[in-house]
Amino acid sequence: EAGVTQFPSHSVIEKGQTVTLRCDPISGHDNLYWYRRVMGKEIKFLLHFVKESKQDESGMPNNRFLAERTGGTYSTLKVQPAELEDSGVYFCASSRWTSGAYEQYFGPGTRLTVT
Amino acid sequence: AQSVAQPEDQVNVAEGNPLTVKCTYSVSGNPYLFWYVQYPNRGLQFLLKYITGDNLVKGSYGFEAEFNKSQTSFHLKKPSALVSDSALYFCAVRDITPSGAAGNKLTFGGGTRVLVKP
Repeated sequence: EAGVTQFPSHSVIEKGQTVTLRCDPISGHDNLYWYRRVMGKEIKFLLHFVKESKQDESGMPNNRFLAERTGGTYSTLKVQPAELEDSGVYFCASSRWTSGAYEQYFGPGTRLTVT
Repeated sequence: AQSVAQPEDQVNVAEGNPLTVKCTYSVSGNPYLFWYVQYPNRGLQFLLKYITGDNLVKGSYGFEAEFNKSQTSFHLKKPSALVSDSALYFCAVRDITPSGAAGNKLTFGGGTRVLVKP
């Protein structure tokens, strides 16, 4: 089966601009997660969808970030307006089950550079 | 709040020698522990997990990890390292409460870069 895919792989934008990242989870996976790694630090949780519903968005840094998952398939993460501190790698992950025992499968990430 | 520490930013080892990547954790309940690896220009790949049972967990590519509850550690090990094991390794934890409720987010350590020299 195809893995988690993310687009674009790399995005360079100027401060104040808008960027939209896309994640396609593994087919059949109801759970979709967004994480990010900023400045080579630890990977941090942003939010969790179960189908089209936001289950946990406690990691979203501020209201400049908007995540959607219309129809419960792919998800988008929009940053508007982007700030310098938003630079980093944004990972998407999916899992079939909600239970904590099941591993999450990660995509290759989108490297975002805000200049 | 749960946390994970990987005390070493980088581990250097000669090919054929044993490899150990350290991880300690802090959770309020029983932990579910995971190791992931990131090869250059690739996403995170799942290596292994500890849920319950035997403290020694075997995973992909010859890796294993030992869960030690008293030391709150989950060190990753490989008896004989390969040059191809050079990558970035992440330890992660999910917190499971005594009531069985499971949070779904992973809390990661800062990562340890492994360099295996020929």
